[in-house]
Amino acid sequence: GENVGLHLPTLSVQEGDNSIINCAYSNSASDYFIWYKQESGKGPQFIIDIRSNMDKRQGQRVTVLLNKTVKHLSLQIAATQPGDSAVYFCAENDDGNKLVFGAGTILRVKS
Amino acid sequence: NAGVMQNPRHLVRRRGQEARLRCSPVKGHSHVYWYRQLPEEGLKFMVYLQKENIIDESGMPKERFSAEFPKEGPSILRIQQVVRGDSAAYFCASSPLGGAVVNTEAFFGQGTRLTVV
Repeated sequence: GENVGLHLPTLSVQEGDNSIINCAYSNSASDYFIWYKQESGKGPQFIIDIRSNMDKRQGQRVTVLLNKTVKHLSLQIAATQPGDSAVYFCAENDDGNKLVFGAGTILRVKS
Repeated sequence: NAGVMQNPRHLVRRRGQEARLRCSPVKGHSHVYWYRQLPEEGLKFMVYLQKENIIDESGMPKERFSAEFPKEGPSILRIQQVVRGDSAAYFCASSPLGGAVVNTEAFFGQGTRLTVV
């Protein structure tokens, strides 16, 4: 399938633990960032977003941290569940017409 | 409230044939975006359309690929004379606002998986 994972980084966590997925972006002009979750055979699903005037935003069980100095974005998932297993993508926008996606990280949750 | 509908979900074409991928946006959305995803990669932007207009096609290959979003009906991504390298998942997203799908009301469809044999 499209998420075989031969080359994508993989994060394996125990059910109930917290997960941290990292992303480095390249365009210092990007001012809007989104995390997406993609399950096998499905389209990307919006998780959480953050604008460049913030460094932290919290949702339900998820937190996004933005460090503009080093152009780094992270997604924290609290109390990870088996249903969180998927590929996670960060995406950036520089106020243009498109999102630029990162390569993705596979999250595997062990029960 | 139906989300973005893409069809077919799976499409197999022989080299040299044409592939037509359809995307029906969320009702009331007039902005459509097409992305391509190769195995083990993130999505890559192809084209952004409004009704009857191509706004940004900077990600579209110069040859064989075309897209339209007519006044009535779905958006169509057309690939002529397909080659093996066109095998990928093609995703469509729609939004009620312009720009880069920059709000939570923008939805992705389930994609069309094109296989060229």
